[in-house]
Amino acid sequence: AQTVTQSQPEMSVQEAETVTLSCTYDTSENNYYLFWYKQPPSRQMILVIRQEAYKQQNATENRFSVNFQKAAKSFSLKISDSQLGDTAMYFCAFMNLRYSGGGADGLTFGKGTHLIIQP
Amino acid sequence: AAGVIQSPRHLIKEKRETATLKCYPIPRHDTVYWYQQGPGQDPQFLISFYEKMQSDKGSIPDRFSAQQFSDYHSELNMSSLELGDSALYFCASSYEGSSYEQYFGPGTRLTVT
Repeated sequence: AQTVTQSQPEMSVQEAETVTLSCTYDTSENNYYLFWYKQPPSRQMILVIRQEAYKQQNATENRFSVNFQKAAKSFSLKISDSQLGDTAMYFCAFMNLRYSGGGADGLTFGKGTHLIIQP
Repeated sequence: AAGVIQSPRHLIKEKRETATLKCYPIPRHDTVYWYQQGPGQDPQFLISFYEKMQSDKGSIPDRFSAQQFSDYHSELNMSSLELGDSALYFCASSYEGSSYEQYFGPGTRLTVT
């Protein structure tokens, strides 16, 4: 079984600043994906970014980028030029892939980091 | 773009009653997942289906069952409801071509009184 740890329950930054959310995980698997999901007050779960474990290059999506350190089992999310709309709960998630049989396992989430962007 | 559809969006039931939640995945998606999110908690994986067969099982109580139908929609059946079952229930869908990215529906808020 895998575990996901987010050690920052809450963070607050000023608009336009850069913020980094931390995530560590523990697994014995070698073929997996990592994700960051955003959950605003509407409670909708929104996919922010994906990282494949076999890729060394860090994923980037506009203002969002990750720092993936496979050996250290670390997967942090950096938000640049933060905006008021970035205020939300952010969840780090792990997903194991299958070598056979098709499909993928369910996501294992961390406890989340509540990010508040101050005007 | 089409999204995951869940119905109903809100449901109020009494203890010991039965509830059925429905999920319609994004077209072409072959895998459906169910999650339960209690107040102030992270989502917990319940169960998933790939091509209409159970694929993975998480912390789903024995009182709950689920299935995926020929049109790929899925239903989560919950019996003998307890107060602790009050939560937001998400359905998500994915397919291999999208690197198994899971796209979540808006959720069904179940309140057990």
